[in-house]
Amino acid sequence: DTEVTQTPKHLVMGMTNKKSLKCEQHMGHRAMYWYKQKAKKPPELMFVYSYEKLSINESVPSRFSPECPNSSLLNLHLHALQPEDSALYLCASSHPARADRHQPQHFGDGTRLSIL
Amino acid sequence: AQTVTQSQPEMSVQEAETVTLSCTYDTSESDYYLFWYKQPPSRQMILVIRQEAYKQQNATENRFSVNFQKAAKSFSLKISDSQLGDAAMYFCAYRSAGVMGTSGSRLTFGEGTQLTVNP
Repeated sequence: DTEVTQTPKHLVMGMTNKKSLKCEQHMGHRAMYWYKQKAKKPPELMFVYSYEKLSINESVPSRFSPECPNSSLLNLHLHALQPEDSALYLCASSHPARADRHQPQHFGDGTRLSIL
Repeated sequence: AQTVTQSQPEMSVQEAETVTLSCTYDTSESDYYLFWYKQPPSRQMILVIRQEAYKQQNATENRFSVNFQKAAKSFSLKISDSQLGDAAMYFCAYRSAGVMGTSGSRLTFGEGTQLTVNP
């Protein structure tokens, strides 16, 4: 069983739709991450939240809008996506403290997103 | 910036045999962490093993062990007694010990090695 839960597992949407991806963890982690992963490629970091504040935005287009409502929840709001945005979106969490830097990031199962 | 290189896009091994996956990295930092993640077709990234750069002793987790050569910036993964369930994409990853919100937040991944286990 994964400790980081992502919903939905699969999402198909048109380019004009608005949808959201959800990620939840109950491990007490205060750092949460969104990654985008294309087939047979490594994950690419998109956003990092630390203590519910956005700490890193890797120059992601504004059609992706992250939100961290509380320490357990991370959302990714999607609007006007392009076909090239079709990918696996992974959420991860970890402890942000320097002393815990040796601790790994824990990943969810991902949301497979297809843009029509 | 750090880079991680996995020079073997694909590897195969016979069940019960041993296989070694290669990983090299480039960094100017002295304090960092290295990880091997496994991603089966089920998609979840699963931690296999980790190594702190300041530790000279190679990490071991059951059938998985690493050969960490800090001076050579090499971090290979050895899988002993390979099982069918070991078939997956394996990613080597680097994480700085730096400040959160900067380099310390990032995992830098290699391109991955697809491991096939033959029965």
